[in-house]
Amino acid sequence: EVQLVESGGGLVQPGGSLRLSCAVSGFSFSTSWMTWFRQAPGKGLEWVANIKQDGSEKYYVDSVKGRFTISRDNAKNSLNLQMNSLRAEDTAVYYCARGARTTDYWGQGTLVTVSS
Amino acid sequence: DIVMTQTPLSSPVTLGQPASISCRSSQSLVHSDGNTYLSWLQQRPGQPPRLLIYKISNRFSGVPDRFSGSGAGTDFTLRISRVEAEDVGLYYCMQATQFPPITFGQGTRLEIK
Repeated sequence: EVQLVESGGGLVQPGGSLRLSCAVSGFSFSTSWMTWFRQAPGKGLEWVANIKQDGSEKYYVDSVKGRFTISRDNAKNSLNLQMNSLRAEDTAVYYCARGARTTDYWGQGTLVTVSS
Repeated sequence: DIVMTQTPLSSPVTLGQPASISCRSSQSLVHSDGNTYLSWLQQRPGQPPRLLIYKISNRFSGVPDRFSGSGAGTDFTLRISRVEAEDVGLYYCMQATQFPPITFGQGTRLEIK
């Protein structure tokens, strides 16, 4: 069974940092592109970043460039999102998903709240 | 960036009746590899998104056959042949032909009359 489980969300002050993780099982992680999406409260879906199988290519939405870093550990079947200089507008549920052009499995999400 | 526009934004439907959602892209979604990376996702209340259809018309594993996708180029449609109560929720089209960025439609809320 394919599983993606996000963790690391929580309440953080503006300007603070958080590191999200996504633990995967049930498929070959090392051969899969991986993607982070987010959904602000009551809003639609937004792509955040994705990473190639070997980590050699990474792409980010403009609003997080220079602040967020996507990474992966293929030995641990883990996807990460380091989020620095957080802003109120980063408040959202963050989802990890398998794939890039077709994202077929999604996690349940982890809530990040940026507030003082 | 490719802009995705969905219509309608809200769709009240009678149980057992068909429903249709349209999605239009600001540019052709045909990739140089010949594929068109247009997906449809469903998000039930309080749930994460779930893939329904990929590459215009391919139904994902476990998706009921009452869901179908069609279209080409810049115009795409998701159809539900007979709406059931469990189909209530938000539906998004997503393009990944040209990324970054991957972009979504605004979402269409399907509700029962």
